[in-house]
Order: sequence, then C-alpha cells, then structure tokens
Amino acid sequence: NAGVTQTPKFQVLKTGQSMTLQCAQDMNHEYMSWYRQDPGMGLRLIHYSVGAGITDQGEVPNGYNVSRSTTEDFPLRLLSAAPSQTSVYFCASREQVMTEAFFGQGTRLTVV
Amino acid sequence: RKEVEQDPGPFNVPEGATVAFNCTYSNSASQSFFWYRQDCRKEPKLLMSVYSSGNEDGRFTAQLNRASQYISLLIRDSKLSDSATYLCVVCAGGNEKLTFGTGTRLTIIP
Repeated sequence: NAGVTQTPKFQVLKTGQSMTLQCAQDMNHEYMSWYRQDPGMGLRLIHYSVGAGITDQGEVPNGYNVSRSTTEDFPLRLLSAAPSQTSVYFCASREQVMTEAFFGQGTRLTVV
Repeated sequence: RKEVEQDPGPFNVPEGATVAFNCTYSNSASQSFFWYRQDCRKEPKLLMSVYSSGNEDGRFTAQLNRASQYISLLIRDSKLSDSATYLCVVCAGGNEKLTFGTGTRLTIIP
C-alpha cells in the first residue's frame, strides 16, 4: 500500500516555465488537497477536491491550476512559475471530511 | 488573530523530561483536532487525533478544552527520537478545510 505518492521530489524551474506536480493515492480517498509550506507560515491550502470532477480554491490559489479526472490522481499545474512559488509542496488525501490527512513526501520547488 | 496559534519554540528539553505544548484555535465550530509530527525536510505524519474526552497513546497524552478553545499535547519520558516539529491541526466541519498551526519545534537534549 503506497499511500500518497508525489513526483518529482525536487525541481528547479526558470521564471516563466510551467510544470505539473503529480499526486496519486491508492486508498480510495475522496478528499485530496495541495498545500505549500513556507518558513514561519505553516501549511497553506492551494486547491482541494472533494471527489472526481470537483475542485475548489484554497487560500493561495493564484498561479496554480488543478483537475481531478479520477479518484486516484490530483495533479497541480504551475502555469508560469515565479520566484514567489519557491516552496515545499505537499499533496494530502483524506477518507472523509473530519478524518486525518495522509501526506505525500513533498516536492521541493525552486524557481530562479 | 490567527485561526490556529502555537508557540513556535524552540523547546530544548533534557531526555527523560516531560514537556507540554498548547495550541489555541479561533473557530468555535471546529470539530476535529489532530497533532502531527514533522521531521526536518519530511512530510507531516499523524501523531494522534484529539478527542473530547482526552486520549493517551503510550507516552503521549492529548487534551481538548472546548470552553477555552485550546488543545494540548503532553510528552512524558521524552526520547531523543521525539525531536521534531509538532503541528496542531484543526478542522471546522462543513468546509473540508484543515487549518494548520505553524508548529512547535522540540529538541530533546541528551
């Protein structure tokens, strides 16, 4: 049982480039989320999904897109990378609204 | 006021000592509460859920005080391996959103 799998683990982008962070879970969880973690700010919600075909914005959605075509996958797209998007990104899934979240190993993204 | 507030520390505690953290939350409608542990450069991992009646898991005890809107984590007989950042996480039912504190950094000193 792999849990939540994120790829890549590390990435360096140039300003203006686009990329997709992959996230997959094999626990059949309906709820999936993307967070970014910056020093001193805790984890902030970027986008989330409550099921296949349903996505919504979190508190810091600008510059990011998501889609949820299957229960398993929830990719995060950076449209035009900016240095302010340098961060550690975590994908998480939950079985139900009030249950605990399981996290992927994270993606360390640097935008130069 | 932040939705979830934690003392960032650092807490430097000798091995074998007892240490306690508090976390306050602002949304009185919050319904689920968790403590997560995060090691350096790793993902957060669930340490324990926090129940209304309080709960214990080995050396760890979590308490919830709804009247004062805080949760606590007590670690007894601390081990070197307890060194980590401890995240307080709160969920207000109905909006699917987990709110994270910024974490409390704990270092256990030999």
